[in-house]
Amino acid sequence: AQSVTQPDIHITVSEGASLELRCNYSYGATPYLFWYVQSPGQGLQLLLKYFSGDTLVQGIKGFEAEFKRSQSSFNLRKPSVHWSDAAEYFCAVERSNTGKLIFGQGTTLQVKP
Amino acid sequence: EPEVTQTPSHQVTQMGQEVILRCVPISNHLYFYWYRQILGQKVEFLVSFYNNEISEKSEIFDDQFSVERPDGSNFTLKIRSTKLEDSAMYFCASSGGAGNTIYFGEGSWLTVV
Repeated sequence: AQSVTQPDIHITVSEGASLELRCNYSYGATPYLFWYVQSPGQGLQLLLKYFSGDTLVQGIKGFEAEFKRSQSSFNLRKPSVHWSDAAEYFCAVERSNTGKLIFGQGTTLQVKP
Repeated sequence: EPEVTQTPSHQVTQMGQEVILRCVPISNHLYFYWYRQILGQKVEFLVSFYNNEISEKSEIFDDQFSVERPDGSNFTLKIRSTKLEDSAMYFCASSGGAGNTIYFGEGSWLTVV
């Protein structure tokens, strides 16, 4: 069965530091992969997605993610974190073009001044 | 940018009461979804809807739940007789087609007391 694991439930980084949020997936075929962000009291905003092609994808707000098939990973990165990046981040995989997203548990990012 | 809108943003209801959550998907989208997130847990798929019928539903989506597209713009989720465990954030989402980006609304927070 398809699944998504985000090993880190909570991460704290200093403002200006680099960030990497981990995501591992289990899926039999080539996955469609997504990262969403949820700020407090807000909905889910799409940061970036991978469907095919270049394995390094760029998203909004300076985020990028790299698809590594050999590691079944789709880690999210940002070179320099801003205080406004504090939020919850969800990795998700779409099952076979169905529109059904399977989400990870989420990682809460805290940014220290 | 077009967005998915949901009402109400927050509703408190007594156990056993019927609740209707409303959503206005993005206007040219064809696929509609409901997801929910119980506090502290993963975002979970409930149901997908296409061409005026349910295309897939999860085991959570039992006979107490129903969805409807009563006119050309609204998409509703009805919970017939709410239980305490229905307390959650309910997200509506839409997409233009299979494999396209799924856009989420800001959510409706349902509290059953």
